Amino acid sequence: QKEVEQDPGPLSVPEGAIVSLNCTYSNSAFQYFMWYRQYSRKGPELLMYTYSSGNKEDGRFTAQVDKSSKYISLFIRDSQPSDSATYLCAMRTGGFKTIFGAGTRLFVKA
Amino acid sequence: NAGVTQTPKFQVLKTGQSMTLQCAQDMNHNSMYWYRQDPGMGLRLIYYSASEGTTDKGEVPNGYNVSRLNKREFSLRLESAAPSQTSVYFCASSSGSEQAFFGQGTRLTVV
Repeated sequence: QKEVEQDPGPLSVPEGAIVSLNCTYSNSAFQYFMWYRQYSRKGPELLMYTYSSGNKEDGRFTAQVDKSSKYISLFIRDSQPSDSATYLCAMRTGGFKTIFGAGTRLFVKA
Repeated sequence: NAGVTQTPKFQVLKTGQSMTLQCAQDMNHNSMYWYRQDPGMGLRLIYYSASEGTTDKGEVPNGYNVSRLNKREFSLRLESAAPSQTSVYFCASSSGSEQAFFGQGTRLTVV
């Protein structure tokens, strides 16, 4: 079993929809939780960075962490065609090794 | 503002050939990383360097070596390339435990 599980999709939604992306994990020692966005043939770029449980909001993006359920989510409101990309969840303990999910491909149709 | 620069962007190798992937960052970060990305596998850590002068193995180090040449540069070497090393390789840097900044990737094919 992988430490981090993420549905690869693809997920296709109409413009303006609310998108929900999710990951589950097995290591209860993870403390730092991240979401990266990766456009085709580009390197990943950080979207959201959360420590421990709770919610964090940044513009149209909201990250949620539920450590009791070992479940994290990224919500995108008012989705745009420019949001079409692969979204990678990532998490780590206090050290340097970050474990990534396989990524979910998102398509937002105009 | 270059960020993290990787060279080359594309490479085709024959089985058994060797090559070095170069990475340089201009953000004065202490930590640097090498990942490989394969379909359905996400990013997997090959090696990392927490600070200048130190390197450590990640999840998939076999078949690779690294050198932290100075604070800016971190290279990845394939001594004898194998088809299983066909992948997209990403270098990243961070200021310790904060967010990682990634390069644009090197697409390597081993035939």
